[in-house]
Amino acid sequence: DAKTTQPPSMDCAEGRAANLPCNHSTISGNEYVYWYRQIHSQGPQYIIHGLKNNETNEMASLIITEDRKSSTLILPHATLRDTAVYYCIYTGTYKYIFGTGTRLKVLA
Amino acid sequence: SAVISQKPSRDICQRGTSLTIQCQVDSQVTMMFWYRQQPGQSLTLIATANQGSEATYESGFVIDKFPISRPNLTFSTLTVSNMSPEDSSIYLCSVEGLAQETQYFGPGTRLLVL
Repeated sequence: DAKTTQPPSMDCAEGRAANLPCNHSTISGNEYVYWYRQIHSQGPQYIIHGLKNNETNEMASLIITEDRKSSTLILPHATLRDTAVYYCIYTGTYKYIFGTGTRLKVLA
Repeated sequence: SAVISQKPSRDICQRGTSLTIQCQVDSQVTMMFWYRQQPGQSLTLIATANQGSEATYESGFVIDKFPISRPNLTFSTLTVSNMSPEDSSIYLCSVEGLAQETQYFGPGTRLLVL
């Protein structure tokens, strides 16, 4: 199984950067890293994905280590609306294996 | 991104009955997926539903319990059959995204079985 390891919970002050780590030490060369978040049991929302280069979009940045065994999702200026469970997934197919994720709480 | 709707959004059902959940997407997609999220748990893939072929079920899920239809490129249904309280979950559909195996998820159907 394509299992990832994430801290179960994190707090972040509003306006500060939130850095969410993920360990995926068994990732293969053709497998991408994906990040999703789930707010209040709604459907997961796609955030960002990458293979080996760092990626940035309007929501977040993704930093992948050179050996690709871990990555960090960065929300540059966290807001209260970013409070959610964040899931890190790696796969080379559409078969997603969701771990337990990180419950991020943004504090006012 | 695709806009996905699910019906019903929530339901309360009696044990032994069946419920059919609908998933509608606003664009044509080849791949659709059904997930289950049990209370306090993460998401688990039930099956992949491609138009024109039989659904592919993951380990632990069988067609008799979770029959799936995929009549066209914008619609799919998942039936939860002969329900028991253990089937109380959120059921979500998703569709393929535009880039490398990304997925867009529907809002989910919250099912409570009494």
